[in-house]
Amino acid sequence: GAVVSQHPSRVICKSGTSVKIECRSLDFQATTMFWYRQFPKQSLMLMATSNEGSKATYEQGVEKDKFLINHASLTLSTLTVTSAHPEDSSFYICSARKDGNYGYTFGSGTRLTVV
Amino acid sequence: AQSVTQLDSQVPVFEEAPVELRCNYSSSVSVYLFWYVQYPNQGLQLLLKYLSGSTLVESINGFEAEFNKSQTSFHLRKPSVHISDTAEYFCAVTSFSGGYNKLIFGAGTRLAVHP
Repeated sequence: GAVVSQHPSRVICKSGTSVKIECRSLDFQATTMFWYRQFPKQSLMLMATSNEGSKATYEQGVEKDKFLINHASLTLSTLTVTSAHPEDSSFYICSARKDGNYGYTFGSGTRLTVV
Repeated sequence: AQSVTQLDSQVPVFEEAPVELRCNYSSSVSVYLFWYVQYPNQGLQLLLKYLSGSTLVESINGFEAEFNKSQTSFHLRKPSVHISDTAEYFCAVTSFSGGYNKLIFGAGTRLAVHP
């Protein structure tokens, strides 16, 4: 079955630093990758959609310069939280999909804590 | 725009009792519907999905959901729950229409199974 690997699973960083989260599709080529943010006991909020080789499409209210998304290959997308602040602390989850396939495969998530 | 409503934020139930988690959607185009389960600090696992064909879909662990177009619903049911079914359940919708492939989630329902 389709597998998506997300790393790291947990990260603690100091306020003002940047953190990179990786999302890899291990056994399929992900035409589209999605990044979600989830606050405690809340639903997943879509942050952005990225297609391989093109710029990400951000949802309204999501700061492009703060949450940098790169989808350089069909198997890897990265989310970089720049100049992180405590309010950026959250659970970030990626999802990958292959064109022509109706399934979405999710990574295991990254718990980011900014101190 | 599409949206998903999960009316019940929490559903407590005793072990071996039946359960129904409600999901209603709103969309102006044909939809594809999904149910995902999330355990603490983990990503999402697909339970079942409706793409086309039979309106009753089943999962391998005893859950089923029925797509009802007239009532715009996709309720999740299980005739007899186990303690291990305790988790957060999310209903999601997409359309795959005109290049649109975002997966939009409901607020989630916390299923708590008690002995």
